Amino acid sequence: GENVEQHPSTLSVQEGDSAVIKCTYSDSASNYFPWYKQELGKGPQLIIDIRSNVGEKKDQRIAVTLNKTAKHFSLHITETQPEDSAVYFCAARKGGTYKYIFGTGTRLKVLA
Amino acid sequence: GAGVSQTPSNKVTEKGKYVELRCDPISGHTALYWYRQSLGQGPEFLIYFQGTGAADDSGLPNDRFFAVRPEGSVSTLKIQRTERGDSAVYLCASSKLGVPEETQYFGPGTRLLVL
Repeated sequence: GENVEQHPSTLSVQEGDSAVIKCTYSDSASNYFPWYKQELGKGPQLIIDIRSNVGEKKDQRIAVTLNKTAKHFSLHITETQPEDSAVYFCAARKGGTYKYIFGTGTRLKVLA
Repeated sequence: GAGVSQTPSNKVTEKGKYVELRCDPISGHTALYWYRQSLGQGPEFLIYFQGTGAADDSGLPNDRFFAVRPEGSVSTLKIQRTERGDSAVYLCASSKLGVPEETQYFGPGTRLLVL
């Protein structure tokens, strides 16, 4: 069935360093890939997304890349700050549906 | 403006009891989604409403789970004969039109604990 694998499950980086989180999806019909940030006690918040007809998208310190052939997509955060510490989720949506499949999350800790 | 709100924020119940979880979407949003998030996992899709109708309920785990949205705004997720395995955070999200790829705005969730 549909599945999204996410790695690593935890990630610690020094402030100012970069962080990379990777996801792999199984359904080749997936065409939309959002990334969410979830802070303790709050719901997920969309931070960036990418569509299947685009290979890369950037928004300030955050970028997402997509390799459709390999069914991989990645989140890149540069110049990390302590406030970037949170749990990050990737997700994939199959074209023509409203159903999102989420990864299992990555707990990012940015050490000051 | 106000975001998505969910009540209660926490609910403790006993196995076998019935519970209702409420979601108030952002005003004017026609699309509403329910997800379940178990500890250490990502949100799991349960059901999607477009207006008053459930457009996709394929994520509801069994017939103990039911959701309604009678007037196209507030939604209630109902769980009958609760089981310990139902313990999780139940998240609600809404989006303006329900157009694919539209941003979903999540509420803070209801943490359900079944003893």
